[in-house]
Amino acid sequence: GEDVEQSLFLSVREGDSSVINCTYTDSSSTYLYWYKQEPGAGLQLLTYIFSNMDMKQDQRLTVLLNKKDKHLSLRIADTQTGDSAIYFCAETSNFGNEKLTFGTGTRLTIIP
Amino acid sequence: EPEVTQTPSHQVTQMGQEVILRCVPISNHLYFYWYRQILGQKVEFLVSFYNNEISEKSEIFDDQFSVERPDGSNFTLKIRSTKLEDSAMYFCASSERRQGAGQPQHFGDGTRLSIL
Repeated sequence: GEDVEQSLFLSVREGDSSVINCTYTDSSSTYLYWYKQEPGAGLQLLTYIFSNMDMKQDQRLTVLLNKKDKHLSLRIADTQTGDSAIYFCAETSNFGNEKLTFGTGTRLTIIP
Repeated sequence: EPEVTQTPSHQVTQMGQEVILRCVPISNHLYFYWYRQILGQKVEFLVSFYNNEISEKSEIFDDQFSVERPDGSNFTLKIRSTKLEDSAMYFCASSERRQGAGQPQHFGDGTRLSIL
């Protein structure tokens, strides 16, 4: 079945860029998503990318997709304390499949 | 911005009891979903629902579980005869169209279910 993997922890100094990585196994993935979960809160959609794109930029967020290596990354520029959260990568495939398959989540900690 | 709302935020139930988790999806959305996240584990898909019927369910979603859209706004998940291992955060989500058409799922804040 589909699998999505992420490293569990990332620590970054305030003002630096954060890069959160994700790998997936499903070669039929069509859309890949990044969700943010702050403590006690739900899953907030940050951004998503269609599989025929290599890159998508949205203000401080840049998503890079390497479809050949099945690797997705989320870069957060000028990381702020408010960016502290768990970031989930998720994918969905195109066989009429509606479910999202999530990664383990990466806990991003900002060092002042 | 429209939101998915879930109630209650925390539900404590005795093992063996039935529990109903409630969700109000975003008003113009047509596809509804339930996921769960056991503490320390991944978010797992349970079921998707469209046009008043289940469109897909995972192997977790057995006869103990059921979903319903009792009126034009609510979407509920019923868990019969709860077990200790049902303790988890349950998330409701909705989307305008099928995922394959690029419409993302929007999630509620979740209901934390604790089975004693």
